[in-house]
Amino acid sequence: QSALTQPPSASGSPGQSVTISCTGTSSDVGAYNSVSWYQQHPGKAPKVMISEVRKRPSGVPDRFSGSKSGNTASLTVSGLQAEDEADYYCSSFADNNYVVFGGGTKLTVL
Amino acid sequence: EVQLLESGGGLVQPGGSLRLSCAASGFIFSNFAMSWVRQAPGKGLEWVSAISGSGGNTYFADSVKGRFTISRDNSKNTLYMQMNSLRAEDTAVYYCTKGLRSTDYCGQGTLVTVSS
Repeated sequence: QSALTQPPSASGSPGQSVTISCTGTSSDVGAYNSVSWYQQHPGKAPKVMISEVRKRPSGVPDRFSGSKSGNTASLTVSGLQAEDEADYYCSSFADNNYVVFGGGTKLTVL
Repeated sequence: EVQLLESGGGLVQPGGSLRLSCAASGFIFSNFAMSWVRQAPGKGLEWVSAISGSGGNTYFADSVKGRFTISRDNSKNTLYMQMNSLRAEDTAVYYCTKGLRSTDYCGQGTLVTVSS
């Protein structure tokens, strides 16, 4: 099972929107609506921001949204704020009851 | 409020064993699959293992298959992972997460260090 592909970095200015992509295959992202996005600040535990492609767990601001097209999922952060600067990881359920993660994207708020 | 609290981490020698626990609250534990995810120092997240809500089905990453086992006690709302034949490359923070197909919460983690 190969890892999902994410850009190593992304950036945007406060108030802007930024989108992070997560590309998989027809055996994971393309096959299941089971993509999650995690946010991780340095030295902290990951926090799930999006589950099942587009659902926000309780307490997650609606500035965070998720979508999927074919084998690529995306996380969009609107109205960027300084506290959004963090590492972001995508994950997907995959064939044979496996879960694959992306390599992570470092989001910088300029 | 969903809470996941891991414990049991520590320093262990190569070849040794360790059992991690994850105490869950804030949801009907037996209704949900649970997973373990780990993060080696300076690295990304890696899925390790999962178990169905009933405990009848278990799943493992190739990297730990045959060495780790996963179990749960639904009467205690607790998830476990027994780690045997530990290697240096198993050094990581281990997180329990709620769900398998759909993951929506993650615990605070427990550090496992495998070193002589």
